[in-house]
Amino acid sequence: EVQLVESGGGLVQPGGSLRLSCAASGFIFSDHYMDWVRQAPGKGLEWVGRIRNKASRYTTEYAASVKGRFTISRDESKNSLYLQMNSLQVEDTAMYYCAKGGGYHPPSLDYWGQGILVTVSS
Amino acid sequence: DIQMTQSPSSLSASVGDRVTITCRASQGISNYLAWFQQKPGKAPKSLIYGASSLESGVPSKFSGSGSGTDFTLTISSLQPEDFATYYCQQYGIYPLTFGGGTRVEIK
Repeated sequence: EVQLVESGGGLVQPGGSLRLSCAASGFIFSDHYMDWVRQAPGKGLEWVGRIRNKASRYTTEYAASVKGRFTISRDESKNSLYLQMNSLQVEDTAMYYCAKGGGYHPPSLDYWGQGILVTVSS
Repeated sequence: DIQMTQSPSSLSASVGDRVTITCRASQGISNYLAWFQQKPGKAPKSLIYGASSLESGVPSKFSGSGSGTDFTLTISSLQPEDFATYYCQQYGIYPLTFGGGTRVEIK
């Protein structure tokens, strides 16, 4: 059974940093692209970024709204995905989901974690 | 960036109704279109990928069609568990983008 479990969220002041983690199980982690998607309170879904799989050399893509501030990484030995968020702004307040890419190319997102809340406020 | 426009933004329907939601891309995306269902307080769930392929375990009352710029999600006979918000997403061109969502409510 595929499981994705996010952690590391919480309250942070504007300008601060936070690192989210996503623990993956139930599939061969290194074979799959992994994404972060966020949802501000009461709003729609916003794609944050992607890290490709080992075969694609773990390259990354980002939304313009987070590029240069957020960094996506992964640790194959821990089956974990990360989102390092720096220079956080009030507008980054959202539920953050990690999502698994499907086994085809380009991949859609076939499984999602339950989400973790990040609140940026003074 | 590719804009994804969903319509309607909300609809009211009765149990047993056939419901159709449309999604239009601002430029051609081939068939790189997915549909997600999200219930309040829950994570999105994938329903359809490749515009018309059903994810494993998704009931056949859901179907998708389209290619290029115009896509539809159809629920053949609405059931109580189908009342939710539905999102389309294009995943062919970066940055990946979502539609604004369609909220399906009980009439």
